[in-house]
Amino acid sequence: GENVEQHPSTLSVQEGDSAVIKCTYSDSASNYFPWYKQELGKRPQLIIDIRSNVGEKKDQRIAVTLNKTAKHFSLHITETQPEDSAVYFCAAKGGSSNTGKLIFGQGTTLQVKP
Amino acid sequence: NAGVTQTPKFRVLKTGQSMTLLCAQDMNHEYMYWYRQDPGMGLRLIHYSVGEGTTAKGEVPDGYNVSRLKKQNFLLGLESAAPSQTSVYFCASSFQGSYEQYFGPGTRLTVT
Repeated sequence: GENVEQHPSTLSVQEGDSAVIKCTYSDSASNYFPWYKQELGKRPQLIIDIRSNVGEKKDQRIAVTLNKTAKHFSLHITETQPEDSAVYFCAAKGGSSNTGKLIFGQGTTLQVKP
Repeated sequence: NAGVTQTPKFRVLKTGQSMTLLCAQDMNHEYMYWYRQDPGMGLRLIHYSVGEGTTAKGEVPDGYNVSRLKKQNFLLGLESAAPSQTSVYFCASSFQGSYEQYFGPGTRLTVT
């Protein structure tokens, strides 16, 4: 079945450094790749997404890159701040699915040390 | 505009008991989803619905049933709770054709 692998499971960086989280997906027909941020005790919230016809998307300090050939995509956070500390989830939507179903990665706990 | 709401927020059940979790959304979304979140396993889809009166199985449907009698509500039922169903349950909804999912605040369920 469809699968999304996410690495690393935990990531600790110093404030101001960059953080990179990587995901690979199995379904070559996947066409939508969102990233969700979940703060402790809160609900997941979309922070950025990318569609398969785009290679890179940026929104202030966060960016996502997509390599369709290799079937992987990454989240980049620059100039990290303590409020970036959270669990981040990647996801992929199967191309053959018109139901909006997402397959999520296992999550990455990011800790930004002041 | 409350978005996506879930009731209850917390619940403790004994093995074998039954319960229903309610998800409600006021955004007129066609699609609704139920996930469970367990440490180190991300969000796993239990069941989903693409419209009133329709439901389908996700990745981990065993032990759960769902119903979508009204467009704004999506119910998740546990007929005979097991300790393995201890988890945090999230409901989400989205517009048809827009893949962004909006999540509810979650329900923390403990089965002893």
